[in-house]
Amino acid sequence: GESVGLHLPTLSVQEGDNSIINCAYSNSASDYFIWYKQESGKGPQFIIDIRSNMDKRQGQRVTVLLNKTVKHLSLQIAATQPGDSAVYFCAEFTGGGNKLTFGTGTQLKVEL
Amino acid sequence: GAGVSQSPRYKVAKRGQDVALRCDPISGHVSLFWYQQALGQGPEFLTYFQNEAQLDKSGLPSDRFFAERPEGSVSTLKIQRTQQEDSAVYLCASSFDDSNQPQHFGDGTRLSIL
Repeated sequence: GESVGLHLPTLSVQEGDNSIINCAYSNSASDYFIWYKQESGKGPQFIIDIRSNMDKRQGQRVTVLLNKTVKHLSLQIAATQPGDSAVYFCAEFTGGGNKLTFGTGTQLKVEL
Repeated sequence: GAGVSQSPRYKVAKRGQDVALRCDPISGHVSLFWYQQALGQGPEFLTYFQNEAQLDKSGLPSDRFFAERPEGSVSTLKIQRTQQEDSAVYLCASSFDDSNQPQHFGDGTRLSIL
């Protein structure tokens, strides 16, 4: 199917290495953040979330870091696997609102 | 199934035709959202329902776009007099409630206007 990741920034990593995907968000009032993974032809899949009263949250093989001072979010994937290849989006909620605002997205390519 | 279901998965229409896209949210989810995703870009918000009430339609690009959720479960996004710029993937998402909860997405409907 058509690629979700056309014209997106690309991160290439070797299988087994750790991956770090970065995201700058725009609104200092945003209080809830989500990372999504999107494979070609599929909808965004929830990975992990973090609220603004936290600066780190860990899941299975994934860690999200939030730096509110510089409005920066990162997703760390440990021991990257071929199945991790996808486009990754950060998304933010602002001030009790209900709509997500998505970032540009990063294409992750895992090389064997 | 347990996830958000959208139909059809693909829709091809001629310019000027009307189309209707359907979304079945996760059972019990109060909130339902529609997003539009252009190729190579992130999803962009269109509209939001809490149960049957449409609380935010600020993202609908024109009055040709209309969404409804009459019984608070299934939702339909309708586009009238389609134009080529309407070609995109239309994604539906649902969440348990509207207080900063994860939104879970369907696989979308890919709409192509010829």
